[in-house]
Amino acid sequence: GQNIDQPTEMTATEGAIVQINCTYQTSGFNGLFWYQQHAGEAPTFLSYNVLDGLEEKGRFSSFLSRSKGYSYLLLKELQMKDSASYLCAVLDSNYQLIWGAGTKLIIKP
Amino acid sequence: NAGVTQTPKFRILKIGQSMTLQCTQDMNHNYMYWYRQDPGMGLKLIYYSVGAGITDKGEVPNGYNVSRSTTEDFPLRLELAAPSQTSVYFCASSSELAGYNEQFFGPGTRLTVL
Repeated sequence: GQNIDQPTEMTATEGAIVQINCTYQTSGFNGLFWYQQHAGEAPTFLSYNVLDGLEEKGRFSSFLSRSKGYSYLLLKELQMKDSASYLCAVLDSNYQLIWGAGTKLIIKP
Repeated sequence: NAGVTQTPKFRILKIGQSMTLQCTQDMNHNYMYWYRQDPGMGLKLIYYSVGAGITDKGEVPNGYNVSRSTTEDFPLRLELAAPSQTSVYFCASSSELAGYNEQFFGPGTRLTVL
């Protein structure tokens, strides 16, 4: 079967750095996405990785290792507004997105 | 552009009732999707469409039907509602199926079946 694993919940301090991990086992791989979802709202796109390595976009960076089936989302200079769930999703061989359950990130002052 | 819009925002159904969740996008996207999201779970694909007149089943299609008569609209029909269909339903659209496939989501419909 297809499986995506993320930690259920993480806590971090305002101004700090946090890394959210995602491991996946899917039938095929055509890219990995990270989405942010604030409570009661729709997911919004953060990043896309299809090749190994680090993609940086402002305070957010995403890393991919296809050989290890592993990705992480790195959030720097955390702000209170970063409190949200972060969803990892993999585009499989049928070009369908397989979603992880999401990591709820709690930011403390 | 309004993006992806969904109606209604909230709905309570009795067991056995039927309803249609509406979804409209104004970005001229070919691809549209319906997901459900249960508490603490990831998004599950119900149905998707690659263009007007073409639809296909996703991971959890049972109990649902869709149609795609225009590029803009992709309604989801629930027949004979059951408590297991209590969930948040998201409609999404994208311009490409493969590759850099950013999906744009509507605000969601919160459905309770009692």
